[in-house]
Amino acid sequence: DAGVTQSPTHLIKTRGQHVTLRCSPISGHKSVSWYQQVLGQGPQFIFQYYEKEERGRGNFPDRFSARQFPNYSSELNVNALLLGDSALYLCASSHNTDTQYFGPGTRLTVL
Amino acid sequence: AQTVTQSQPEMSVQEAETVTLSCTYDTSESDYYLFWYKQPPSRQMILVIRQEAYKQQNATENRFSVNFQKAAKSFSLKISDSQLGDAAMYFCAYRSCGNKLVFGAGTILRVKS
Repeated sequence: DAGVTQSPTHLIKTRGQHVTLRCSPISGHKSVSWYQQVLGQGPQFIFQYYEKEERGRGNFPDRFSARQFPNYSSELNVNALLLGDSALYLCASSHNTDTQYFGPGTRLTVL
Repeated sequence: AQTVTQSQPEMSVQEAETVTLSCTYDTSESDYYLFWYKQPPSRQMILVIRQEAYKQQNATENRFSVNFQKAAKSFSLKISDSQLGDAAMYFCAYRSCGNKLVFGAGTILRVKS
């Protein structure tokens, strides 16, 4: 079975722009979570979706939003990009509320 | 709020020897899960081992085992017969029933040949 997939792999944007990151969960998994990992730190929780509903939100500004589609894939959107948004964005999927399995991440660079 | 502390920024081990990575956490909950994840230079986060708090028996996965001390809120990872491929950043993580993962700052493990 395919693991969690994320696209794109790398992305370069300039300050003020908008970005959309995509995630496809493991087949059969209905929950998707998003994390931000700044270099040298542990991942920080951004959002969790289960069955297309938001189940949790971390301490991130309203510039960050997400949604989950009927096929359980998910998008993370970030508006008005700041230099500090440069990070690795990780998506994780799980069956119900079980163990989370991570994708390879999207590396976002904001110039 | 739950917190996870990894007090060892970096550890080294000789190939074929054993190393223990430390993790402590703070929570007022009684029902939770603990995990160790490995992140190699590719930055893919890989699950190493998981422990349910209600289980007294320590989890084991091949060369990886944990020492879970619930009263002390301690969750260390022991890697036996270390291999070059074990070199990576290791993260301890806590998950409550709310399901979000709270990660520690990580420990870099270097394996010497």
